Amino acid sequence: AQSVTQLGSHVSVSEGALVLLRCNYSSSVPPYLFWYVQYPNQGLQLLLKYTSAATLVKGINGFEAEFKKSETSFHLTKPSAHMSDAAEYFCAVTSNTGGFKTIFGAGTRLFVKA
Amino acid sequence: DSGVTQTPKHLITATGQRVTLRCSPRSGDLSVYWYQQSLDQGLQFLIQYYNGEERAKGNILERFSAQQFPDLHSELNLSSLELGDSALYFCASSGSFGTGELFFGEGSRLTVL
Repeated sequence: AQSVTQLGSHVSVSEGALVLLRCNYSSSVPPYLFWYVQYPNQGLQLLLKYTSAATLVKGINGFEAEFKKSETSFHLTKPSAHMSDAAEYFCAVTSNTGGFKTIFGAGTRLFVKA
Repeated sequence: DSGVTQTPKHLITATGQRVTLRCSPRSGDLSVYWYQQSLDQGLQFLIQYYNGEERAKGNILERFSAQQFPDLHSELNLSSLELGDSALYFCASSGSFGTGELFFGEGSRLTVL
């Protein structure tokens, strides 16, 4: 069975500081891994995805994530936070076992202080 | 704009009532997914349809049902509503040969009073 654990329901950083949002997964088959972002009153949108190509994945808005199989992790980073990055971020795992069933983590709300 | 359309955006109803939420997927997408988002449960997978057939089932209550029609739009029916059913209901779609990437609608916010 698949599962996703996001460490920290809330993360607060100063503008210009490093953003690090943690995600660990479990999957019985090679997974596809995703980070989605949700802005207030909106649906989720894809930030980036890992699909077994390069382990370092670059996404939109300067975000990137590194797939580490040995640590079963897929942490999201951004070198310099911007006020507009304030949102909720979801890590997700999908495996193609009878349909692409995607399981989401509980989410991490990112606050950016001026 | 993800290309996924959900209606209605907001819905207020009373306990015991029945509602229907509608979703039109992105053009060409055959898969439709329904998720429930609430403060205490997070984002919960309910059910997936692929080209009209149920493909995967998650934590969907027996009071809830869904279907996908020949034109690929989907409906989620919620009956005998309880206060705890108040939540945001998202529909998402994905392409047939994609890598599981989901495209989400803006959601239907259901309030049960």
